[in-house]
Amino acid sequence: SQQGEEDPQALSIQEGENATMNCSYKTSINNLQWYRQNSGRGLVHLILIRSNEREKHSGRLRVTLDTSKKSSSLLITASRAADTASYFCATDANNAGNMLTFGGGTRLMVKP
Amino acid sequence: DTEVTQTPKHLVMGMTNKKSLKCEQHMGHRAMYWYKQKAKKPPELMFVYSYEKLSINESVPSRFSPECPNSSLLNLHLHALQPEDSALYLCASSLVAGGSYNEQFFGPGTRLTVL
Repeated sequence: SQQGEEDPQALSIQEGENATMNCSYKTSINNLQWYRQNSGRGLVHLILIRSNEREKHSGRLRVTLDTSKKSSSLLITASRAADTASYFCATDANNAGNMLTFGGGTRLMVKP
Repeated sequence: DTEVTQTPKHLVMGMTNKKSLKCEQHMGHRAMYWYKQKAKKPPELMFVYSYEKLSINESVPSRFSPECPNSSLLNLHLHALQPEDSALYLCASSLVAGGSYNEQFFGPGTRLTVL
């Protein structure tokens, strides 16, 4: 079953613009992770934010976590055509027996 | 070596065939995972191995049979599959299963088509 829901399901922007994706989840978590997947390929881990952290940066990526609202956002700044991919949030829930549950994903298209 | 490898890349099989998917990592990870992913959907967890023992089976039909011969290898044996089993099968590994640092490393996947 899906723990996380992502919004929007699809996003199309111009190169250079910022892209923001949101993720909501239902139960308490140990951590929340974001992954990227190019079409038909494996997932690439982008960033992990622990439940006691509120914000994390990695290069052009900024992730926020609001445990009171059970939500997270991923911001990609100064987007590039190579950022075109699907982005998934995944939660490592406290009572989930040590497994990740993925959200539905946001399909991002960055037009050159 | 920070890579998870999967073979084959593509597999086409009939419903009466027996085949196996293979996954390998040499990062010293002690947790390995099988996921199934249908088009435009998120990965769905099938199995988790922790220290070479099956720790989670997400109610997967018995026509899928996982095996972990050692800490670096993970197999998925397939038998009597149905066309609806056609999907991308992803293998992943992590240092341990669960905890606050459970970053998973994914292989490129095996694209399976069942005729």
